[in-house]
Amino acid sequence: GENVEQHPSTLSVQEGDSAVIKCTYSDSASNYFPWYKQELGKRPQLIIDIRSNVGEKKDQRIAVTLNKTAKHFSLHITETQPEDSAVYFCAASQGYGQNFVFGPGTRLSVLP
Amino acid sequence: GAVVSQHPSRVICKSGTSVKIECRSLDFQATTMFWYRQFPKQSLMLMATSNEGSKATYEQGVEKDKFLINHASLTLSTLTVTSAHPEDSSFYICSVGMGASQPQHFGDGTRLSIL
Repeated sequence: GENVEQHPSTLSVQEGDSAVIKCTYSDSASNYFPWYKQELGKRPQLIIDIRSNVGEKKDQRIAVTLNKTAKHFSLHITETQPEDSAVYFCAASQGYGQNFVFGPGTRLSVLP
Repeated sequence: GAVVSQHPSRVICKSGTSVKIECRSLDFQATTMFWYRQFPKQSLMLMATSNEGSKATYEQGVEKDKFLINHASLTLSTLTVTSAHPEDSSFYICSVGMGASQPQHFGDGTRLSIL
């Protein structure tokens, strides 16, 4: 089955700096890759997603890149703000079954 | 995206009690819902896929007789933790699947504490 790895597990950056979180997946059949942000005790919220027919997608300060050949995808957050502090999860899905396999998460701390 | 309502948000009960958690899709007819368990500082682990009108599909290692799932309508799935024990204490969270290669939208979760 699919296995998703995520690095780093924790990340601290100064406010205004960029943050990058990387994920790798094992199943070449996976074709949908969402990123979720989860604040303590709250629901995961979708922040951006990418499908396998696209190499990059951007939404304001957030971007995601996908390398299908290497089976890895990355989340980029620019001009970080304290409210970006949360746990971020990547996931991979084969689409047809809708099942997601989540990475272990990255705890991002943005220091003022 | 779908608006997902999950109740209750918090349950504290004695060992041996059965607990029912409801997950409602308020504005989307969900043929598929998902149930996850999340231990502190860990990721979301899929327990089962709830299919409207048919039996749920359980992940390996999840006891179907202990975690009963019912998805009787397109807007409601329930998870019943039967005869709960302290090791079942966790954050249980449901999601609604929007279709193939589409996001899942999550409920607020239920924090279950078994004494």
